Amino acid sequence: DAGVTQSPTHLIKTRGQQVTLRCSPKSGHDTVSWYQQALGQGPQFIFQYYEEEERQRGNFPDRFSGHQFPNYSSELNVNALLLGDSALYLCASSPSVGGTEAFFGQGTRLTVV
Amino acid sequence: GQSLEQPSEVTAVEGAIVQINCTYQTSGFYGLSWYQQHDGGAPTFLSYNALDGLEETGRFSSFLSRSDSYGYLLLQELQMKDSASYFCAVPTTGGFKTIFGAGTRLFVKA
Repeated sequence: DAGVTQSPTHLIKTRGQQVTLRCSPKSGHDTVSWYQQALGQGPQFIFQYYEEEERQRGNFPDRFSGHQFPNYSSELNVNALLLGDSALYLCASSPSVGGTEAFFGQGTRLTVV
Repeated sequence: GQSLEQPSEVTAVEGAIVQINCTYQTSGFYGLSWYQQHDGGAPTFLSYNALDGLEETGRFSSFLSRSDSYGYLLLQELQMKDSASYFCAVPTTGGFKTIFGAGTRLFVKA
């Protein structure tokens, strides 16, 4: 079992550009959540996807959007990048039933210059 | 509002016991989780308490008091590899949104 995999691992973008981050959940998991983690801070919830729908959203602007595919993998899109978007983006998967534990991927380190 | 408070840093010596506290304020409570994150690594799940009391898993234990909105993570027989950040977290809003504390950085000294 490969666990949760994210790609790419590192990314450098310029202000104003758009970025797409990808996540494959752990086998058997159908729920995917995305988090933003600034240096020295805890993960901040962006949104959660289940059954290809956004089920819950945190306090992030509409520039942050996502998608979940029929195979449960997910994408996070960020438009009009700002310097403040530089962070580690984490994907976590869990089963919809009995899922008290979230499994995290290694994250994508996004740097906006 | 919803928030979690935990100390920013804790230092302890190898072989000792350390307790990391967490107080929370949430609308609707489902349980308290703890995660460990090494520098450059992914958060990994340690424990989940839905009911009051102590849960023990090897060297790590976690405690919850729902009436006090308080919990703690207890690490025994500290090892150098335990040096990491520890986060408490609570699911809210139907259990679909998880809020994390800012994290407690644990330094284990020889």
